[in-house]
Amino acid sequence: GESVGLHLPTLSVQEGDNSIINCAYSNSASDYFIWYKQESGKGPQFIIDIRSNMDKRQGQRVTVLLNKTVKHLSLQIAATQPGDSAVYFCAENIYSGGGADGLTFGKGTHLIIQP
Amino acid sequence: DTGVSQDPRHKITKRGQNVTFRCDPISEHNRLYWYRQTLGQGPEFLTYFQNEAQLEKSRLLSDRFSAERPKGSFSTLEIQRTEQGDSAMYLCASSPTGANVLTFGAGSRLTVL
Repeated sequence: GESVGLHLPTLSVQEGDNSIINCAYSNSASDYFIWYKQESGKGPQFIIDIRSNMDKRQGQRVTVLLNKTVKHLSLQIAATQPGDSAVYFCAENIYSGGGADGLTFGKGTHLIIQP
Repeated sequence: DTGVSQDPRHKITKRGQNVTFRCDPISEHNRLYWYRQTLGQGPEFLTYFQNEAQLEKSRLLSDRFSAERPKGSFSTLEIQRTEQGDSAMYLCASSPTGANVLTFGAGSRLTVL
């Protein structure tokens, strides 16, 4: 299937503001979505996930929204902090019931926090 | 447990040489994955293991690439006759069976001159 894509390569926000990172996917069979954060020189780090039978899920300072009608996923980060500066990837999987056979990642959005 | 470990972190080699990367997953994780990431792109799936069995290989994994997990613990990824296009970050990840969330290592960066 098609890989997951992102709308913006770079997003710059003021410290303390809320950030919204968007992701569009094309595979309507995708059943499971994850947001990862990758800091420079490090591997991707899990942030939050959501299944296709949900439209919203909240974590600590983060919220993921899923709109299956338009195949759109977003990550909202509240009160951004300098430590939030990183590249954010959305990833999708066709949940087989046996676990992840491999995630398909988008290209990433580089979030820059301005002081 | 210290998470997923990869070695070496950086490797510079000349075109045509062979390189090998090692991954030590989280000890209780029986699934192990290899991904490749080029600059500015998201990780691309290469292959994964369930214990010692290699269950899926991407078309990106050419015949110059071979991955093994002989005892169902650590894994190696070997690239033979390296080409400049092989320059990338090679990421290893692991998970328990049935889990969708992968835990990634810090990666092994390969530069082919």
